[in-house]
Amino acid sequence: SQQGEEDPQALSIQEGENATMNCSYKTSINNLQWYRQNSGRGLVHLILIRSNEREKHSGRLRVTLDTSKKSSSLLITASRAADTASYFCATDAAMGGSARQLTFGSGTQLTVLP
Amino acid sequence: DTGVSQDPRHKITKRGQNVTFRCDPISEHNRLYWYRQTLGQGPEFLTYFQNEAQLEKSRLLSDRFSAERPKGSFSTLEIQRTEQGDSAMYLCASSSWLGGTGANVLTFGAGSRLTVL
Repeated sequence: SQQGEEDPQALSIQEGENATMNCSYKTSINNLQWYRQNSGRGLVHLILIRSNEREKHSGRLRVTLDTSKKSSSLLITASRAADTASYFCATDAAMGGSARQLTFGSGTQLTVLP
Repeated sequence: DTGVSQDPRHKITKRGQNVTFRCDPISEHNRLYWYRQTLGQGPEFLTYFQNEAQLEKSRLLSDRFSAERPKGSFSTLEIQRTEQGDSAMYLCASSSWLGGTGANVLTFGAGSRLTVL
């Protein structure tokens, strides 16, 4: 089952604009991670935010986390055509046991038009 | 270190045939995960290993699926008597998470795409 739901499912913007993607999840978490996937390829880790953090930055990426609303957002500033990809949030659930598998959302397909 | 390698990248097979995928994780990573991804969806967890021990299996992993990680190095995922519904991308990932409150960040391979005719 998929823990997170991304919104929107698809987003198309012009180069230079900002892109915002949202993720909602259901259970308590240790941390939330964002991954990027280019078409037909594996996923690449972008950024991680812990449950006790509210905002985190990495280059052109800004992630926020609201644990009371069980939601996160990923902002990509000054987008480039090379940012075109699918973006997934993944939750590292605060559950018992040692598996600590990540549970992925259904993704946002971002298209940046040159 | 060339990252996580998966082989083959593409496999086309007929319904009823067996297929096997191989994953070579990052050498110093002790944890290895298999995920399945269908078109337009996020990856779904199948199973994971810590060293050579298979510690968790999803209910998605039917009896036709078996995974091994001999000697805690590479892993294989075999699907017996394939069905059209098995068509998907099979992703392998590894991590060096040691437990506790640290974060479990996955490094993925490029995936093995299975098409069952």
